[in-house]
Amino acid sequence: DAGVTQSPTHLIKTRGQQVTLRCSPISGHKSVSWYQQVLGQGPQFIFQYYEKEERGRGNFPDRFSARQFPNYSSELNVNALLLGDSALYLCASSEGPRSTDTQYFGPGTRLTVL
Amino acid sequence: DAKTTQPNSMESNEEEPVHLPCNHSTISGTDYIHWYRQLPSQGPEYVIHGLTSNVNNRMASLAIAEDRKSSTLILHRATLRDAAVYYCILRGYGGSQGNLIFGKGTKLSVKP
Repeated sequence: DAGVTQSPTHLIKTRGQQVTLRCSPISGHKSVSWYQQVLGQGPQFIFQYYEKEERGRGNFPDRFSARQFPNYSSELNVNALLLGDSALYLCASSEGPRSTDTQYFGPGTRLTVL
Repeated sequence: DAKTTQPNSMESNEEEPVHLPCNHSTISGTDYIHWYRQLPSQGPEYVIHGLTSNVNNRMASLAIAEDRKSSTLILHRATLRDAAVYYCILRGYGGSQGNLIFGKGTKLSVKP
């Protein structure tokens, strides 16, 4: 079975631009979460979606937004990019949104903002 | 979710057992103890979780102190592939939000 997939693998943008990252969950999983991992730190929670609805949001500015589609795939959008947005963006899928649902991570998208 | 404390780094020799400690003195009665690891250039990978009793799976064992204020992840025979950052995370049972709260974890180095 395919695991969580993310695209693109790498991305280079300049300050002020906008970016869209994509995630396909494991088949049968209905929940998707997004995390940001800055070099040398653990991943930080951005959003969780379940059945196309936002179920949780981390401490990130409104420049960050996301959505989930009927097939449970998801997109993360970041507007007005800053240098500090350079990071590895991770997507995780789980069967449901609860704390008892194990999360399975994709390989991430490496975003570099110049 | 309550906080956890882990050593920044540990070293091990290949084919020897590794004991990775985690302190969670403020754990509540409904918190599960989860372990994830992150290999270089990969996303985090689920390892094991438990509540009160010790747990075993194909990857590792989890030993939980009787007072639940600490736990130890045990890799029975470390291989070079086990070199990774290991995260100990507490997750409340039944919570409506399933997000994980990562600390800095323990960076495990395995020497041949």
